[in-house]
Amino acid sequence: SQQGEEDPQALSIQEGENATMNCSYKTSINNLQWYRQNSGRGLVHLILIRSNEREKHSGRLRVTLDTSKKSSSLLITASRAADTASYFCATGLGGYQKVTFGTGTKLQVIP
Amino acid sequence: DGGITQSPKYLFRKEGQNVTLSCEQNLNHDAMYWYRQDPGQGLRLIYYSQIVNDFQKGDIAEGYSVSREKKESFPLTVTSAQKNPTAFYLCASSIDGQGRSFFGQGTRLTVV
Repeated sequence: SQQGEEDPQALSIQEGENATMNCSYKTSINNLQWYRQNSGRGLVHLILIRSNEREKHSGRLRVTLDTSKKSSSLLITASRAADTASYFCATGLGGYQKVTFGTGTKLQVIP
Repeated sequence: DGGITQSPKYLFRKEGQNVTLSCEQNLNHDAMYWYRQDPGQGLRLIYYSQIVNDFQKGDIAEGYSVSREKKESFPLTVTSAQKNPTAFYLCASSIDGQGRSFFGQGTRLTVV
């Protein structure tokens, strides 16, 4: 079963705009990760946020985590055409964790 | 150049055949995983291995088998018992199963 659900399923924005995508999950987690997947390729790790953290930044990426609402958001600022990809959240359950992936948000950035 | 390598990139299987997908990593990672991805969907876990000579079933293990005889290698066999094997298969590894996973570039399997 898939733990995370991303929202929206698809998002289309103009270059330079910000993109926000959300992830909701069902059970307690140890950490939450965001990955990017270009079409037909493997996944690339973007950022990991632990359950005791509320916000984390990496370059143009900002991730928030609200464990009380069991949700996370990924914000990409000043988007570029190269950001066009699918974005997945993945939740880790602690201990030896079995990381579970959501269904993804497909982002299209129009030049 | 460290990383995780999957081969082949494309694979065609005839009905009733077993095929094996290769996954090799030189990252010295203990944990390795196999995922299946269908069009427009997320990743579903097939099998995972925490350590050499040990592996566990994931959510959709039926019709698949794995081995972990070496730390570097985690091959996946898609057997004839898997009735709908056409999909994109992704292998991943992580240092200890606690965090970031590194992915291969995937193998696209098609039944002909």
